[in-house]
Amino acid sequence: EDQVTQSPEALRLQEGESSSLNCSYTVSGLRGLFWYRQDPGKGPEFLFTLYSAGEEKEKERLKATLTKKESFLHITAPKPEDSATYLCAVPAFHASGGSYIPTFGRGTSLIVHP
Amino acid sequence: DVKVTQSSRYLVKRTGEKVFLECVQDMDHENMFWYRQDPGLGLRLIYFSYDVKMKEKGDIPEGYSVSREKKERFSLILESASTNQTSMYLCASSPWTGLNTEAFFGQGTRLTVV
Repeated sequence: EDQVTQSPEALRLQEGESSSLNCSYTVSGLRGLFWYRQDPGKGPEFLFTLYSAGEEKEKERLKATLTKKESFLHITAPKPEDSATYLCAVPAFHASGGSYIPTFGRGTSLIVHP
Repeated sequence: DVKVTQSSRYLVKRTGEKVFLECVQDMDHENMFWYRQDPGLGLRLIYFSYDVKMKEKGDIPEGYSVSREKKERFSLILESASTNQTSMYLCASSPWTGLNTEAFFGQGTRLTVV
């Protein structure tokens, strides 16, 4: 059962057209939510960590927000260089190790057309 | 900045070969992870380690093993490579601080098994 679900799977925007990506999670007792950007053929690059409902973080045209059930990554006036796959992750309990492990959604592939 | 370095960007191996993927981090992190990433399936955890010589199975450990002889190095071993192990392999590390912090990724190794 997926613990992290991202939507939409793919999103195409025109340059300057603002939008939001969604990450919903089902883990109990949230211990943080992480956003990453991944360019084709490369490893994910860390963007933000959010720890509590109501928290917001910003970086250039990106703003991440968190509620008790989901997080949004808002992209304001995107540019073609914002094209990438955006991943979110939460620490989920892993029984075999008794540890909390970053567990990822499948990502949203964003394409921004000039 | 945290640096996680994977030994190869691209590898091509033959079915049945023993394959070693190496990962080194330079930030004295306790936790290290190996994921594989496939289209439509997202990142799936293969193995993780929270200390030297300690290892725990992730969600898809079959056909893989790992080694962590030094804190900074975490190796993934494909005992007998098969075509269904063709994938992008991602190594990550994170510190243990009592809270769950974000993981930092290497650049990835694209493995093709022929």
